[in-house]
Amino acid sequence: KQEVTQIPAALSVPEGENLVLNCSFTDSAIYNLQWFRQDPGKGLTSLLLIQSSQREQTSGRLNASLDKSSGRSTLYIAASQPGDSATYLCAVKEAAGNKLTFGGGTRVLVKP
Amino acid sequence: EAGVTQSPTHLIKTRGQQATLRCSPISGHTSVYWYQQALGLGLQFLLWYDEGEERNRGNFPPRFSGRQFPNYSSELNVNALELEDSALYLCASSPRASSWDTQYFGPGTRLTVL
Repeated sequence: KQEVTQIPAALSVPEGENLVLNCSFTDSAIYNLQWFRQDPGKGLTSLLLIQSSQREQTSGRLNASLDKSSGRSTLYIAASQPGDSATYLCAVKEAAGNKLTFGGGTRVLVKP
Repeated sequence: EAGVTQSPTHLIKTRGQQATLRCSPISGHTSVYWYQQALGLGLQFLLWYDEGEERNRGNFPPRFSGRQFPNYSSELNVNALELEDSALYLCASSPRASSWDTQYFGPGTRLTVL
């Protein structure tokens, strides 16, 4: 059974610092890995999608890497801003059943 | 292009009642997914529908059921509500039943069971 873990569970940084969020998964037989952002009580906003054959994806200040063999992904957010405060979730797409398995999330607070 | 929409935004029920949640996928998407986000349990996969058929089901009791209509919209029904069913229910859609496609999420329905 696939298990996804995110460390740390919470993170507080001053504005301008770079953020590093970690995600690990137990079964490397995945199609892709996706990073989402969730604001309190809201739905999910997709940030980056990395296919299993890719090593990284970039979008603006965001960069995500994927090491499928070791079961790890890292999301980097450069020069953090207070508007980056949210919960960040990673999810892996498994071949069986076309479902996403989510980590528990990292709650980020960027202080002005 | 309109995103995934869900209704109602909030729903309050009492134990033993039934709840019906609705989801409209992005135009052109045939697959609809339901997820539950309960406090302390994280996001868990509930159901996947494609072309009107249930394709996969998560580890939830049979009182969680649903259907997909010919226009690809979907309904999630929860019977005999229990307190622990209180959660944010998220619906997602994808263009087709392909493992390579991303899932696009709606804003969710907050279900509170009293």
